Amino acid sequence: TQLLEQSPQFLSIQEGENLTVYCNSSSVFSSLQWYRQEPGEGPVLLVTVVTGGEVKKLKRLTFQFGDARKDSSLHITAAQPGDTGLYLCAGVWGNTGKLIFGQGTTLQVKP
Amino acid sequence: EADIYQTPRYLVIGTGKKITLECSQTMGHDKMYWYQQDPGMELHLIHYSYGVNSTEKGDLSSESTVSRIRTEHFPLTLESARPSHTSQYLCASSEYRGGGETQYFGPGTRLLVL
Repeated sequence: TQLLEQSPQFLSIQEGENLTVYCNSSSVFSSLQWYRQEPGEGPVLLVTVVTGGEVKKLKRLTFQFGDARKDSSLHITAAQPGDTGLYLCAGVWGNTGKLIFGQGTTLQVKP
Repeated sequence: EADIYQTPRYLVIGTGKKITLECSQTMGHDKMYWYQQDPGMELHLIHYSYGVNSTEKGDLSSESTVSRIRTEHFPLTLESARPSHTSQYLCASSEYRGGGETQYFGPGTRLLVL
């Protein structure tokens, strides 16, 4: 059973298009994180969202945490080829530091 | 900037060999983790440590073992490698910041067991 469901799992779009990736769970998390991973490298943290309903922006990326702290979304405006990579959401339980990862969304942005 | 290192980056080895994957961090983090990841897939936690002499098994059962004798060093050992162990192994350490534990990942070791 997958605790964190990400959708879509694969996305191939043209440069300049917008996209949204979803991360859903039936569990409540103390916080939720989004990571981006490039081939042959480890994931790199993009953002941590903590408060239900919170919205954070990182240049063309907008992250939202659901009111009930069970789901999150990542929206990219005007995608660029440099956005290509594997996007992973991860739920954090309490202060253990342990993360539960979603399956990931592989994004390809074609020039 | 995270300072966490893994060696080797790539390893091709025959069945039955003993291997040790090295992981070191220079940030003084108490918490460290090992994950297993197949290409383009999610990460599965196989081991974690909250400090020296503290190790716990993660959510995914693994035949590997770990040790934490020094804060900065968290090696993973496979006593007898098998083809089913072929995967990417990622090491991470974490600290509390920005409202949650931020994990810093190493570049990974890609293991192929023939």
